[in-house]
Amino acid sequence: ELKVEQNPLFLSMQEGKNYTIYCNYSTTSDRLYWYRQDPGKSLESLFVLLSNGAVKQEGRLMASLDTKARLSTLHITAAVHDLSATYFCAVDLPSGYALNFGKGTSLLVTP
Amino acid sequence: SAVISQKPSRDICQRGTSLTIQCQVDSQVTMMFWYRQQPGQSLTLIATANQGSEATYESGFVIDKFPISRPNLTFSTLTVSNMSPEDSSIYLCSVWRAGELFFGEGSRLTVL
Repeated sequence: ELKVEQNPLFLSMQEGKNYTIYCNYSTTSDRLYWYRQDPGKSLESLFVLLSNGAVKQEGRLMASLDTKARLSTLHITAAVHDLSATYFCAVDLPSGYALNFGKGTSLLVTP
Repeated sequence: SAVISQKPSRDICQRGTSLTIQCQVDSQVTMMFWYRQQPGQSLTLIATANQGSEATYESGFVIDKFPISRPNLTFSTLTVSNMSPEDSSIYLCSVWRAGELFFGEGSRLTVL
């Protein structure tokens, strides 16, 4: 059974601090996806990581992928309140057609 | 990015009734995917809808409960049948575009 595990599931952090969200998965997929969901909204694609060692950055967020360890990280640098949201990682389902999502990390950035 | 429109955006339904959710995409796609997001939970794939063939359902989801239509390459519907409070969820359709999976705004159903 394909498993996608995120930790932590809940994260409260102060503005200006750094933190990392981890995503472990059980498949041999070479691709990993990160999404953001604001309350009451749909999912917004953040990053698509396509190969081992891939690193992508957008603003205060940086994502990386280690396919050998089956691990992806989402690093937050100098957090600001606007980053408060739920972050999901996802990998390809064995069928290869859709994605399987982790449980999500609910991030709250406080002053 | 893909433009995906869903209707209704939200609805309140009575137990035992059925509701059909529509999903319209701005260009032709081979596959459309329907996901469910229960309150405070992650997304679970319900089924994959291909034009011209029956939908493929994931484990735990059956056609009698979630019938899907795919009449053309830009449109799909998902019906939630004989609803119970446990069906209260956000239902999202999604499509691939340039290697990314995009989601509609979702249809938030509350079953009383």
